[in-house]
Amino acid sequence: DIVMTQSPDSLAVSLGERATINCKSSQSLLTSSNNKNFLAWYQQKPGQPPKLLIYWASTRDSGVPDRFSGSGSGTDFTLTISSLQAEDVAVYYCQQYYATPPTFGQGTKLEIK
Amino acid sequence: EVQLVESGGGVVQPGGSLRLSCAASGFTFEDFAMHWVRRAPGRGLEWVSLISGDGGSAYYADSMKGRFTISRDNSKNSLYLQMNSLRSEDTAFYYCAKGGRSGYYSNYLDYWGQGSLVTVSS
Repeated sequence: DIVMTQSPDSLAVSLGERATINCKSSQSLLTSSNNKNFLAWYQQKPGQPPKLLIYWASTRDSGVPDRFSGSGSGTDFTLTISSLQAEDVAVYYCQQYYATPPTFGQGTKLEIK
Repeated sequence: EVQLVESGGGVVQPGGSLRLSCAASGFTFEDFAMHWVRRAPGRGLEWVSLISGDGGSAYYADSMKGRFTISRDNSKNSLYLQMNSLRSEDTAFYYCAKGGRSGYYSNYLDYWGQGSLVTVSS
């Protein structure tokens, strides 16, 4: 199985500041056939189900604010929140869908400093 | 509007069984693989199982193989998870989720249900 490792495990950022979460996969998630990375990011707020934020490593899902962006390729990926809002407090997960079974990172808890 | 509504959770003793259901609406159910994902208290998301759109193929996480069975009834737009030989470590919220790409197994998950709580305790 592909192992997904996120860093850091937790993060505290001031309102309006940038938050950066990293995700590393144990093998490349890039396919040469379509030059896409099979990597998604999710946000899970307390008491709610996960919500898809980004897929193909950098494509925002419909309705996701543009302060959320994804980048990276191959084995190293980043989720960036450009200006942290209070409603962004949540746990964030990366997930690979390059291979079956799909696998998640362990999660990064984002809090307000 | 896509909706996924789970049911069937509850409290069960170790070694017991439980069947979760997920009612889907708002999309062509048979076109998409469906997944179960869980989150145990204090832990992260863990993928459980997936089933292809036609129900002909199923995959499981290693710790669930032989104990859990995923199935679907496309005539009822419903997904199921039969859980047997339950252990305390199976205590979690169980979410059904829709695959984002028609016809593909491993997938990003674009819609999720609210979750159904399974508690395994004596």
